[in-house]
Formats: sequence, C-alpha cells, structure tokens
Amino acid sequence: DIQMTQSPSTLSASVGDRVTITCRASQSIGSWLAWYQQKPGKAPKFLIYGASTLESGVPSRFSGSGSGTEFTLTISSLQPDDFATYYCQQYKSYPRTFGQGTKVEIK
Amino acid sequence: QVQLVQSGAEVKKPGSSLKVSCKASGGTFGSSTIHWVRQAPGQGLEWMGKIMPIVDITNNAENFQGRVTITADKSTNTAYMELSSLRSEDTAMYFCARVPPAGADHDAFDIWGQGTMVTVSS
Repeated sequence: DIQMTQSPSTLSASVGDRVTITCRASQSIGSWLAWYQQKPGKAPKFLIYGASTLESGVPSRFSGSGSGTEFTLTISSLQPDDFATYYCQQYKSYPRTFGQGTKVEIK
Repeated sequence: QVQLVQSGAEVKKPGSSLKVSCKASGGTFGSSTIHWVRQAPGQGLEWMGKIMPIVDITNNAENFQGRVTITADKSTNTAYMELSSLRSEDTAMYFCARVPPAGADHDAFDIWGQGTMVTVSS
C-alpha cells in the first residue's frame, strides 16, 4: 500500500496568511494526487486533482504543486472560510489512501 | 448536477450487520464508480471499497477481511455498503463518493454523500 504522510498535523494561522501543507507519498505516484477540505460534521470537499488542477468553483487562492513523492497545497491568503482540515489522497493504485490530515486553526 | 444521498444514522449491536445506502439524485450513476470511505470520530479517512454499477465490478480493501460487501441497483441508481460482524471500532461516519466515468480528467472523489453515522454499542 502507498503511505501518504502530511505535515504539519496542525497549523495555526491568521486571516491573510500564506499557508503551505506538505504531503509525501511512500513511492512515486506521478501526479495522481487530490486534495480535499473537510469541516466538522461535513463530507470532504474536492479541491484539486492531478496535483495542481483546481476543481471548478474552487477559489484561486488555493494552489497545488509537486509530482512523484512530494506535493504541496498552498493557500495564498487565508480566509475565514478556510479554517478546516485538509487531506491529500493518492489515486494511482489500490487501496486508495489518504494523508492523516492537516488541521488549519485560527491563531 | 448529481448529488449522492445516504441513508440515516444507525445504532447497531456488536456482532450484527449494517447496510448503508447511497442514492444518486438529479442524475444517474452512468459509468461512474461509487466508493465507500469511513471516518472514525476524530480520525482520518479510510477507503473501504468500490463498485462500478454499470458492470457490477467491485474491489474491497483487504483491511476489512471480507466483512465488506458493496452492491448496486442500477434500476434505482442506489449503491449499498454492507459491513458484517460489527465491533465497537466500526463506530464511524460512512461516506459514499463518486469517481467520474473513464475519460474524465481524474479518478478522484468529486462528489460525496452527506455521510451516515453508525454507532456500534451494546
């Protein structure tokens, strides 16, 4: 199985801050990586696929980069609605696996 | 736009079985794939398995040691996830999620159900 490891686990930030979350895969997954945002009690929301392509309707302050084993999700200017937990997920092979999540909380 | 609507919360006894439904609203499954993902309280996301309803092909996570059965009814555009021999560790929110048909730009989970909370307790 491909292990996905995110860092940090928790991130404290203020509105307007630039925020970066890292996701590492235990083996190369090319660009077969997605990012999701989840708020408490809700289903995950699809943000990015192909490591860097924004899903339709996702604000342009979100961006993704990377390939192979190292990936990043960046929020260029954190907004109040962005405080949530973020997950990366590989879809190169089965079983599909997720990172453990990064909680972005208010500083 | 297709939405996935799941069945309601359940409380189950240890050793019993659970069956959660996921119905496509506002559209059909077409040739998409329906996956099941669960999330224990305060924990991360765990993939359980998938089905391509149009051909009834399934693939389940080995972690569940044969306890998971995923089926679909094409006539009602409803997918089902059955989990047997329930234990307290199966207490979780269960989500269905869609992967778009082959030929789409990606194989990620673009549409999610609202989740079904399952509590296993004696």
